[in-house]
Amino acid sequence: QVQVQQWGAGLLKPSETLSLTCAVYGGSFSGYYWSWIRQPPGKGLEWIGEIHPSGSTNYNPSLEGRVTISVDTSKNQFSLKLNSVTAADTAVYYCARGADNAKTGDYWGQGTLVTVSS
Amino acid sequence: DIVMTQSPDSLAVSLGERATINCKSSQNVLYRVNNKNYLGWYQQKPGQPPKLLIYWASTRESGVPDRFSGSGSETDFTLTINSLQAEDVAIYYCQQYYTTPRTFGQGTKVEV
Repeated sequence: QVQVQQWGAGLLKPSETLSLTCAVYGGSFSGYYWSWIRQPPGKGLEWIGEIHPSGSTNYNPSLEGRVTISVDTSKNQFSLKLNSVTAADTAVYYCARGADNAKTGDYWGQGTLVTVSS
Repeated sequence: DIVMTQSPDSLAVSLGERATINCKSSQNVLYRVNNKNYLGWYQQKPGQPPKLLIYWASTRESGVPDRFSGSGSETDFTLTINSLQAEDVAIYYCQQYYTTPRTFGQGTKVEV
């Protein structure tokens, strides 16, 4: 059974860099894209981007330039960095198994609330 | 970007009745090579991550009750909840994964 566990800093000041990591336990890591999604308080879901263990990435153009997703295949982990954060980046950030040929989003991390405040 | 538009934004359904949620994509999400629509449906309850209910527009994820069904093709899709149960109160999202960015609908809140 696949388990996805995430962690990272929950309180940032404006202009700092958001950094979150997700670890995958069980199942295949190499055969899937792995994604980051965020949800501002009381609002809907926004897809941030994804990475394949080969290193291939896709990002949401709305965040491109500020976002970097990386992978450590030796640990079955992938990470999100978002720089120059503002209050608009306050959200619950989720990691999830991404698209394969059939489905996406079948396994999710528990979510991390990241608050940006001075 | 493909824009996903759900309707209605919210609906109230009596227990045991049917709930119907619509999702319209601004572009075709049907991959003609395998004749599959790259459209998923999620259920989200407060304080929890979304849960995948349906993928390929109409294939129920393992363990999902059969009162949940998905239909539609190309740009117009529907999630139907037959015989609504109290535990189905949640926000439901559609998402296209045909291309990146993999966009979500704005969500539909289902209440009793």
